Amino acid sequence: EVQLLESGGGLVQPGGSLRLSCAASGFTFSSYGMSWVRQAPGKGLDWVSGISGSGGSTYYADSVKGRFTISRDNSKNTLYMQMNSLRAEDSALYYCAKDVYSGYPDAFDIWGQGTMVTVSS
Amino acid sequence: QSVLTQPPSASGTPGQWVTISCSGSSSNIGTNTVNWYQQLPGTAPKLLIYTNNQRPSGVPDRFSDSKSGTSASLAISGLQSEDEADYYCAAWDDSLKGLVFGGGTRLTVL
Repeated sequence: EVQLLESGGGLVQPGGSLRLSCAASGFTFSSYGMSWVRQAPGKGLDWVSGISGSGGSTYYADSVKGRFTISRDNSKNTLYMQMNSLRAEDSALYYCAKDVYSGYPDAFDIWGQGTMVTVSS
Repeated sequence: QSVLTQPPSASGTPGQWVTISCSGSSSNIGTNTVNWYQQLPGTAPKLLIYTNNQRPSGVPDRFSDSKSGTSASLAISGLQSEDEADYYCAAWDDSLKGLVFGGGTRLTVL
């Protein structure tokens, strides 16, 4: 069964850091691009960052550029996102999503259940 | 303010045909493919349509899309109660070098 399982969310103070992980199973992980998409409570979808199947290309939304770093370990079938200098507006449910293709972020056919990040003092 | 503009709400009665619009610009919809997602309450989004009207396995052909210039539309025929959900359009933006989503449209089946 194709599955994505996020972890690492939690409560963090403004300016703090958090590392999200997404364990993938049921497909050839290295063949597909992966992205993080977030959704604040009661709000719409917001693409955060993406990475190509090989890991050689990364993409970021302007709102997180310079603060978040996406990476992947294809030997462990795991996607990561290191989040630094967190702000209240980063509070959201963070979804890991598998792309239909291997390159730049496009169409996401598999989604995890999400991990909640709350930035508050 | 989302880069792609969708109406906040839409509605229809069972069996009806409804459309949801998504307006963008030359750097996103005008140049790249538009993808559509359905999000049922309390669940993760689900890919409905991608890359020129392709549907993932299990998505009924009641769902279809079209594009003209810098605008796109999702059409749902034979509306059913289980179609009540939030719908999002998305596209790659060449200027922003990122993926952009519409603000979402809440579809109510009356």
